[in-house]
Amino acid sequence: AQSVAQPEDQVNVAEGNPLTVKCTYSVSGNPYLFWYVQYPNRGLQFLLKYITGDNLVKGSYGFEAEFNKSQTSFHLKKPSALVSDSALYFCAVRETGGFKTLFGAGTRLFVKA
Amino acid sequence: EAQVTQNPRYLITVTGKKLTVTCSQNMNHEYMSWYRQDPGLGLRQIYYSMNVEVTDKGDVPEGYKVSRKEKRNFPLILESPSPNQTSLYFCASSFRGHQPQHFGDGTRLSIL
Repeated sequence: AQSVAQPEDQVNVAEGNPLTVKCTYSVSGNPYLFWYVQYPNRGLQFLLKYITGDNLVKGSYGFEAEFNKSQTSFHLKKPSALVSDSALYFCAVRETGGFKTLFGAGTRLFVKA
Repeated sequence: EAQVTQNPRYLITVTGKKLTVTCSQNMNHEYMSWYRQDPGLGLRQIYYSMNVEVTDKGDVPEGYKVSRKEKRNFPLILESPSPNQTSLYFCASSFRGHQPQHFGDGTRLSIL
């Protein structure tokens, strides 16, 4: 069965330290990969995507993500965390040629001042 | 302003009483989708549409209906709601399949 895994329910990091939020997937073909962020009482906001090309993708608010095809992973990173980065982060995988989309269960990021 | 608008934002209703959650986008997007969000499960796709009159099932379509008669609107219909459909629902749209989705602010449904 196709799936998307975010193995950590919660990630805690101190402000100024680097952060990583992990995502691995099991989806056939070469799917499109996305990261979204959700703040309380709001919809999801797009951070970045991988379609093809360079394995390191840069996105909004200083976030970047590293695609690894052999490990089928798409980890979200930021060199220096801010308190305002505290939110719920979702990895999403979409099949190519269609619109079926799978989301991970989400990872809550806490950045302590 | 580019946006996806869902209504209502909150609804408490009873088992078996038909309800519709509306979704409208003003970006001329071809693709639209409905998701439900439940704790520990992330978002699960209910239905999606790749164009007018073209809809398809996502992972959890049971108990839901959709229609896409116009490009901008994609209502979600619960003909006989049950308590296990209590959830937070999101509508989303995108211009093409490889482009990111724009999400509405969500509809919190409680079915008693």
